[in-house]
Amino acid sequence: QSALTQPASVSGSPGQSITLSCTGTSSDIGRYNYVYWYQQHPGKAPKVMIYDVINRPSGVSYRFSGSKSGNSASLTISGLQAEDEADYYCSSYTTSNTVVFGGGTRLTVL
Amino acid sequence: QVRLVQSGAEVKEPGASVKVSCKASGYTFIDHYMHWVRQAPGQGLEWMGWINPNSGGTIHAQKFQGRVIMTRDTSISTAYMELSSLRSDDTAVYYCLSLALGQGTLVTVSS
Repeated sequence: QSALTQPASVSGSPGQSITLSCTGTSSDIGRYNYVYWYQQHPGKAPKVMIYDVINRPSGVSYRFSGSKSGNSASLTISGLQAEDEADYYCSSYTTSNTVVFGGGTRLTVL
Repeated sequence: QVRLVQSGAEVKEPGASVKVSCKASGYTFIDHYMHWVRQAPGQGLEWMGWINPNSGGTIHAQKFQGRVIMTRDTSISTAYMELSSLRSDDTAVYYCLSLALGQGTLVTVSS
């Protein structure tokens, strides 16, 4: 199972809205609504930001939202803040009953 | 709220085995699969496998077949991941994941 494709880096200015992409195939993202997004600050454990494509766990800011279209999923961060600077990973369930991760996107807040 | 607490850091020699535990609280343990994920130094996240805490059934990533065993003890809401025949490239932080992630367990493989 190949990894999901994420851009290596993305940058944005404070207050801006930014969208991170995650591209898979018809055997993972395109087949199931089991896409997760994780945020990881340096030296810290990852944190679930979105589960099942669109759902936010309790405690996650409303500024984070998820969506899916075809074989791709997206994480949108509105009102970008300095604290949002981190690595972001996506994952999806697959037709092999496994899970596949993306390589991660480093978000820089300018 | 959901909380996953993992066992402490381990240092192992090549060829040895390591067993990491993950104690869950704040939700019904048997209702959600427990995944194991690892992250080598400076690298991304890698999925290792999952266990269905209700049935005990497991699925592992192909690269870990024959080397990883995932178990659970429902009486104490705890999942375990044992990795054998350790190599230097197994040095990583290992996380359990079910609705949230544990704090991570650093496993260092070194002679």
